[in-house]
Amino acid sequence: DIQMTQSPSSLSASVGDRVTITCRASQSVSNYLNWYQQKPGKAPKLLIYAASSLQSGVPSRFSGSGSGTHFTLTISSLQPEDIATYYCLQTFTTPNTFGQGTKLEI
Amino acid sequence: QVLLVQSGAEVMKPGASVKVSCKASGYTFLNYPFSWVRQAPGQGLEWMGWISTSNGNTNYAQKFRDRVTMTTDTSTSTVYMELRSLRSDDTAVYYCAREERVVGAPDYWGQGTLVTVSS
Repeated sequence: DIQMTQSPSSLSASVGDRVTITCRASQSVSNYLNWYQQKPGKAPKLLIYAASSLQSGVPSRFSGSGSGTHFTLTISSLQPEDIATYYCLQTFTTPNTFGQGTKLEI
Repeated sequence: QVLLVQSGAEVMKPGASVKVSCKASGYTFLNYPFSWVRQAPGQGLEWMGWISTSNGNTNYAQKFRDRVTMTTDTSTSTVYMELRSLRSDDTAVYYCAREERVVGAPDYWGQGTLVTVSS
């Protein structure tokens, strides 16, 4: 199975900050890397698919980059509503595997 | 609009089976496969498997392969996930999710179904 490792596990930032979360794969997943936001008690929400494509309706302050084994999710200017846990997910091969999550706090 | 509505919460005894449903609407059901993902209390997300709505083909995570069955009913645009031989560590919220076509990322999710396994 492909292991996905996110860093950091938790992050405290201020409104307006630029925030970056990293996801590393144990082997190449090409661009089959997706990012999700999950708020307590809610289903995950797709933010970025195919490493860098912004899902429809997602604010442009969210962006993704990377390929192969190293990926990043960037929030250009943190907003209070961005407080959530973020997960990466590789869909290159089955079993699809998630990162362990990054809890973002203000 | 795309909508996935899951069945309600369940409380099950150890050793029992549970079947969770996920009814889709707002798009052409046969055009998109589904994944099932679960989340234990306070834990991360875990992929369980995948089902094609066009031909019923499945692909299960090894961890669940001998206990899970995913099926579809195209007449009602519903997918099902049955988990057998339940244990206490199966207590979790179970999500269905439609997969988009570019890289297979789950794009629309059901609201989740809490399954509690307790004696």
